[in-house]
Amino acid sequence: NAGVMQNPRHLVRRRGQEARLRCSPMKGHSHVYWYRQLPEEGLKFMVYLQKENIIDESGMPKERFSAEFPKEGPSILRIQQVVRGDSAAYFCASSPKFDEQFFGPGTRLTVL
Amino acid sequence: DQQVKQNSPSLSVQEGRISILNCDYTNSMFDYFLWYKKYPAEGPTFLISISSIKDKNEDGRFTVFLNKSAKHLSLHIVPSQPGDSAVYFCARGETGANNLFFGTGTRLTVIP
Repeated sequence: NAGVMQNPRHLVRRRGQEARLRCSPMKGHSHVYWYRQLPEEGLKFMVYLQKENIIDESGMPKERFSAEFPKEGPSILRIQQVVRGDSAAYFCASSPKFDEQFFGPGTRLTVL
Repeated sequence: DQQVKQNSPSLSVQEGRISILNCDYTNSMFDYFLWYKKYPAEGPTFLISISSIKDKNEDGRFTVFLNKSAKHLSLHIVPSQPGDSAVYFCARGETGANNLFFGTGTRLTVIP
């Protein structure tokens, strides 16, 4: 049973470009969470999704950020018009229900 | 609003000795705490949890203590091993809630 998969592991973008981060949850998990870790900080919740639904996006910046979890395929975190402050590690986690979350290896985004 | 605080950014311990990692919290409304361990370039890995109705939970070399009156919890690792060297995060969770609140982490170094 493969763990949570994220790709790409490293992503470099120039200011103003778009970044797309993908997350495939563990088999059988229908809950997906996205967290962001800025340098020297803990993980901060961004958004929680179930299949085809955004349940809680209270941690997501109001502009430029969006997330989806389609019926088929991975969950996508999309950042439009990236700025240097978006440089961070983005972690996806999945769970079968409301309890322990299993984390992916993260995507390290660098904005030049 | 930092709900979970890890005031020690780093800790060094001799192999074989006890490692004690601390975490303080401000909000009494919670159901459980979790400890995660994170190696560089990897996602957090779940270690151990404790529910609000308990004051201790033990799993092998890892024991978590919860002091609700002091709003404090700690993770004890004994005996410490070099492979335990990592960043440890405590996180607060509520049953039925969507996200975990993470501390900023403590970097543990176990010296052989």
